[in-house]
Amino acid sequence: GAVVSQHPSRVICKSGTSVKIECRSLDFQATTMFWYRQFPKQSLMLMATSNEGSKATYEQGVEKDKFLINHASLTLSTLTVTSAHPEDSSFYICSAKKGLAGGYEQYFGPGTRLTVT
Amino acid sequence: AQTVTQSQPEMSVQEAETVTLSCTYDTSESDYYLFWYKQPPSRQMILVIRQEAYKQQNATENRFSVNFQKAAKSFSLKISDSQLGDAAMYFCAYRSPSGTASKLTFGTGTRLQVTL
Repeated sequence: GAVVSQHPSRVICKSGTSVKIECRSLDFQATTMFWYRQFPKQSLMLMATSNEGSKATYEQGVEKDKFLINHASLTLSTLTVTSAHPEDSSFYICSAKKGLAGGYEQYFGPGTRLTVT
Repeated sequence: AQTVTQSQPEMSVQEAETVTLSCTYDTSESDYYLFWYKQPPSRQMILVIRQEAYKQQNATENRFSVNFQKAAKSFSLKISDSQLGDAAMYFCAYRSPSGTASKLTFGTGTRLQVTL
């Protein structure tokens, strides 16, 4: 199988604080991971593409200094929301792609619901 | 840039009946991949079916099949013998073949209700 986990599943933080979300590929190595944001009743919006050992590539309009992404190993990528504000409240989903020649399928994590108060 | 359009925000089907969800896309590429994902209330994204653009044969996975019309840039999903567990949001997605690190472009989704 290809299982991706996220931790935490839910987090509540106060405005102005930072929060870290982890994305792990449990049974495969993921050279590429993706971070998405999903607002209620809307589609998934790609925020950034994370490659192991290199800087993340951010989509247009996504603040890289606010959404810090670290892909330090082949099984772990982290998204840190810095100085969170209520408008950052959303559902964050990661996905992982197997290896360099791992085909075209992305495996999705279960998501993290962030609430900023 | 590629765009994916799902024109049906909501659909309803009776249990055991068949329903078709529509998806159109816009691209200038000749080779690409298309996907249907299911997102149940748990919010976990589940791959339902995929289609390679170079393949003329429509993909089929058990009760799920697609009608891929490359010239029309249409990629509809047919669910046969609908079950209560099929109730979910369904997203159509497009992926370029190379040079974009497997980026997926999603449509806006169709919420499918399954009634008794």
